[in-house]
Amino acid sequence: GAGVSQSPRYKVAKRGQDVALRCDPISGHVSLFWYQQALGQGPEFLTYFQNEAQLDKSGLPSDRFFAERPEGSVSTLKIQRTQQEDSAVYLCASSLLVNSYNSPLHFGNGTRLTVT
Amino acid sequence: AQSVTQLDSQVPVFEEAPVELRCNYSSSVSVYLFWYVQYPNQGLQLLLKYLSGSTLVKGINGFEAEFNKSQTSFHLRKPSVHISDTAEYFCAVGQKGGATNKLIFGTGTLLAVQP
Repeated sequence: GAGVSQSPRYKVAKRGQDVALRCDPISGHVSLFWYQQALGQGPEFLTYFQNEAQLDKSGLPSDRFFAERPEGSVSTLKIQRTQQEDSAVYLCASSLLVNSYNSPLHFGNGTRLTVT
Repeated sequence: AQSVTQLDSQVPVFEEAPVELRCNYSSSVSVYLFWYVQYPNQGLQLLLKYLSGSTLVKGINGFEAEFNKSQTSFHLRKPSVHISDTAEYFCAVGQKGGATNKLIFGTGTLLAVQP
């Protein structure tokens, strides 16, 4: 079956614009994560959903970042009033089980956001 | 809180030579340990993980890693590398018993295999 799909693959935004990044997880996967990967760095945790419930948003860097998963499948990460420091690759990952340490975590190819 | 250190940002190695990619972690609680690989223009893929049991873990593509609790290390090894192993490798930790199963990643090591 299809893996985790993220769109768009690339996004260029002018500073101050709002952006929305989409993640289609593998069908039936309960757990969904968003990570931010800056250039030359490892992925950093942003937020976690268990079905439609956002159980952890401790990694969101500011109140400009907002994520949702209203029906427990597709998720959207929204960034308002983008800043240059938001430039990064945004990764989505999903897992079949609540305990994603025990079941494989599938990553999408990411959305590369460039803020000019 | 947990942290992961990958001291080598890049490791050049000749094809068919052995390689070791180093990973050290810091944590006040028990952790699970992971190695992920990222090939160019692809998503992260799990190479191997240590949850419990034997400290020597074997993964895909001939890689293995050994959990050393006293040295807080989880180094990745392969006895003979191929050109196709050229990729970025990330070590990661997860907190046992944590509220969410998030991962803390290191900064990555680029394995550059030369012919």
